[in-house]
Amino acid sequence: SQQGEEDPQALSIQEGENATMNCSYKTSINNLQWYRQNSGRGLVHLILIRSNEREKHSGRLRVTLDTSKKSSSLLITASRAADTASYFCATGSVYQGGKLIFGQGTELSVKP
Amino acid sequence: EAGVAQSPRYKIIEKRQSVAFWCNPISGHATLYWYQQILGQGPKLLIQFQNNGVVDDSQLPKDRFSAERLKGVDSTLKIQPAKLEDSAVYLCASSWGRQETQYFGPGTRLLVL
Repeated sequence: SQQGEEDPQALSIQEGENATMNCSYKTSINNLQWYRQNSGRGLVHLILIRSNEREKHSGRLRVTLDTSKKSSSLLITASRAADTASYFCATGSVYQGGKLIFGQGTELSVKP
Repeated sequence: EAGVAQSPRYKIIEKRQSVAFWCNPISGHATLYWYQQILGQGPKLLIQFQNNGVVDDSQLPKDRFSAERLKGVDSTLKIQPAKLEDSAVYLCASSWGRQETQYFGPGTRLLVL
């Protein structure tokens, strides 16, 4: 079963612009995580935000979580060509036994 | 700190053949996961181990897939017999515990002809 849905499915921007990706989910969660996947590679963990947190920053990344709307957003500021990848949100919940349920992902293309 | 290791990186087999994948998690990580990622989709959990016990295998097609975690460290995932729809990337991940950050290996790309 799919928990998170990312929006948009694909995003194309110019280098230097900001990229915003959204994730919506259906049931209560304990945490929400964002991962990046370069073509043909494994997933790289970007950031984890817990259900009692509203915002977290890591370098050029900013993640927000609104549990009342069951949604999260990932903002990448001053994007670079190297940010080109697929981005996935994944939800974790005790009701899911600790496993992560991933969305379909947003494919980001940053043009130099 | 060494990451999650997986082998092989690529495998091509014919349908009805069998195949096995190996995973070595990050040292000390108690929880190990196997995911299947079909092209264009997000990863889907197949099985989750806590030490050497199975926590969740609800989405593992048990008629053809099997997995074990030896002595709570390395793990193998086997498919026998393979079907065309098993073509996917198989990802192994590990974490200190449940509800913690998961670290992924590079994956094994399987093509079933």
